[in-house]
Amino acid sequence: AQTVTQSQPEMSVQEAETVTLSCTYDTSENNYYLFWYKQPPSRQMILVIRQEAYKQQNATENRFSVNFQKAAKSFSLKISDSQLGDTAMYFCAFVITGGGNKLTFGTGTQLKVEL
Amino acid sequence: ETGVTQTPRHLVMGMTNKKSLKCEQHLGHNAMYWYKQSAKKPLELMFVYSLEERVENNSVPSRFSPECPNSSHLFLHLHTLQPEDSALYLCASSLGQGYGNTIYFGEGSWLTVV
Repeated sequence: AQTVTQSQPEMSVQEAETVTLSCTYDTSENNYYLFWYKQPPSRQMILVIRQEAYKQQNATENRFSVNFQKAAKSFSLKISDSQLGDTAMYFCAFVITGGGNKLTFGTGTQLKVEL
Repeated sequence: ETGVTQTPRHLVMGMTNKKSLKCEQHLGHNAMYWYKQSAKKPLELMFVYSLEERVENNSVPSRFSPECPNSSHLFLHLHTLQPEDSALYLCASSLGQGYGNTIYFGEGSWLTVV
């Protein structure tokens, strides 16, 4: 069975600082995609960043970057220069090849960016 | 503005009522999904439609009945629900049901069963 673990239910960071959210996952598959989604108070899930498992290079999107460690099955999200608008619930998720497009989600990390 | 629109945003219903949740996507996608989000639990995939055909029913009780009349619209018909069905129901869509295609979500419908 596929599982995703986010061990930090809540985190806080000062504005302009850097924060890292952790995620580990478990699968016996070799080909898969990993995602970080953000859910602000509006409740809409918004894609932050995605990573193909066969790519060794870590994905980056502006202030967001990941540290993908395939052997360790770890996929952490780093947010640089944190902004108040980054306050949200962050979900780690993945989908395996041959499994259709069915995302497996973690339980989320509530991030609060403070002044 | 979201490309996936859900109505109503909030719904309160009694256990004997019949109601429906509606989802519309404006992204030209051909795969649509219903997810259930409960407190302290991972999102649960309920149904998947691809090209208007149901391709996944994730052991969902029959009191939830999906309908996909065309590739832009998805409904979730609700009847004789239980209080534990109270949750946020998220609709989503993607271009194709192939793995790895980015899934876009709506803002959800808050359902309270009393």
